[in-house]
Amino acid sequence: AQSVTQLGSHVSVSEGALVLLRCNYSSSVPPYLFWYVQYPNQGLQLLLKYTTGATLVKGINGFEAEFKKSETSFHLTKPSAHMSDAAEYFCAGKNTGNQFYFGTGTSLTVIP
Amino acid sequence: GAVVSQHPSRVICKSGTSVKIECRSLDFQATTMFWYRQFPKQSLMLMATSNEGSKATYEQGVEKDKFLINHASLTLSTLTVTSAHPEDSSFYICSASLGSGGTYLTDTQYFGPGTRLTVL
Repeated sequence: AQSVTQLGSHVSVSEGALVLLRCNYSSSVPPYLFWYVQYPNQGLQLLLKYTTGATLVKGINGFEAEFKKSETSFHLTKPSAHMSDAAEYFCAGKNTGNQFYFGTGTSLTVIP
Repeated sequence: GAVVSQHPSRVICKSGTSVKIECRSLDFQATTMFWYRQFPKQSLMLMATSNEGSKATYEQGVEKDKFLINHASLTLSTLTVTSAHPEDSSFYICSASLGSGGTYLTDTQYFGPGTRLTVL
């Protein structure tokens, strides 16, 4: 079955430090991959997505992710963490049936 | 663009009553809408896929008679939790897709802000 795995349910970084949130996908055919952010008691906001083409995808709020087929990975990064980045982050894939499957989420804490 | 709203944002009801949650695509037509359930500190669980004008497709383990889904128009889908019980308390999130299944290559799902259901 197709799935995405997020390594690390909790990540803490200092303000200004690099943010790295890990996501690996499992599929014989690369799915379409997404990163969403969720703030408390809110829905999900799309950060970025990979469909085809350039493997380095830039999103909102300074985030980017690189699709690496050889590693079946789609890790999310941001060069410098801001306090407002503290939230829950979900990696998601979409199959040809137009259904999403979500990772278990990574809670990002930014330490001042 | 691509805004999805949900109403209500919060609802508290007594055990045994039914609750209706609306999901609307405000500035686009959504042939497909999805309903998710999210427990605290957990990921989203897909409950059902709602297609305008046809019956919803439920995921395994989701009671279709308990979670009634109606997608009467291209901008509105409703989820009715019938005879709600405390274990139905959860955060319900809907999403809408811009395209049909034939355009899955670039489809993105846009999520509503969620509805917090508390059953006493």
